[in-house]
Amino acid sequence: DAGVIQSPRHEVTEMGQEVTLRCKPISGHNSLFWYRQTMMRGLELLIYFNNNVPIDDSGMPEDRFSAKMPNASFSTLKIQPSEPRDSAVYFCASGFTGQGGDTQYFGPGTRLTVL
Amino acid sequence: AQKVTQAQTEISVVEKEDVTLDCVYETRDTTYYLFWYKQPPSGELVFLIRRNSFDEQNEISGRYSWNFQKSTSSFNFTITASQVVDSAVYFCALSEAGTGANNLFFGTGTRLTVIP
Repeated sequence: DAGVIQSPRHEVTEMGQEVTLRCKPISGHNSLFWYRQTMMRGLELLIYFNNNVPIDDSGMPEDRFSAKMPNASFSTLKIQPSEPRDSAVYFCASGFTGQGGDTQYFGPGTRLTVL
Repeated sequence: AQKVTQAQTEISVVEKEDVTLDCVYETRDTTYYLFWYKQPPSGELVFLIRRNSFDEQNEISGRYSWNFQKSTSSFNFTITASQVVDSAVYFCALSEAGTGANNLFFGTGTRLTVIP
């Protein structure tokens, strides 16, 4: 079975540019999560969706970040405009129930570098 | 307050040695869930185990075993007869049912290096 799919795997961009990260969750899962991993802050939850609806976006750093889930099989995380401090690995994860304690299965991550 | 503490930042062992990775958690919820994930050098996060707060039975899966003790708020992970392929960063994580939620609070990770 295919796991969580993320694209691109690596992205290098210049400050001020728009960046769009993509995620395809595991088929049948109804919850989706976006995380960011940095050396300084570790793994942080940015936003999570249940049944395509954003439930908690309190981790989104600022208005430059936005996330959408137009259907059950696709989500995007957009940064506009990007800044060097956004450089990190961004993970997408999906889960089955959307309830507390749900196991989250992670994608391979997108390594973003903003110059 | 940090919800998950992994005090060991880095551990090095020689192949075939046993190693235990410590995890201490903090929560006021009576219902919560604990997880371990492995992050090998390739970077992905691999799910290893999930335990709920009502199940304190220890678990063994091959060379891996987990010791869950509510009395000490610990959920330690032991690798028996370590192998080079075990080299990775291991994360312990907590999810609390009371927050509604699916927030996974991760520890800072323990980097394990197995020396051949």
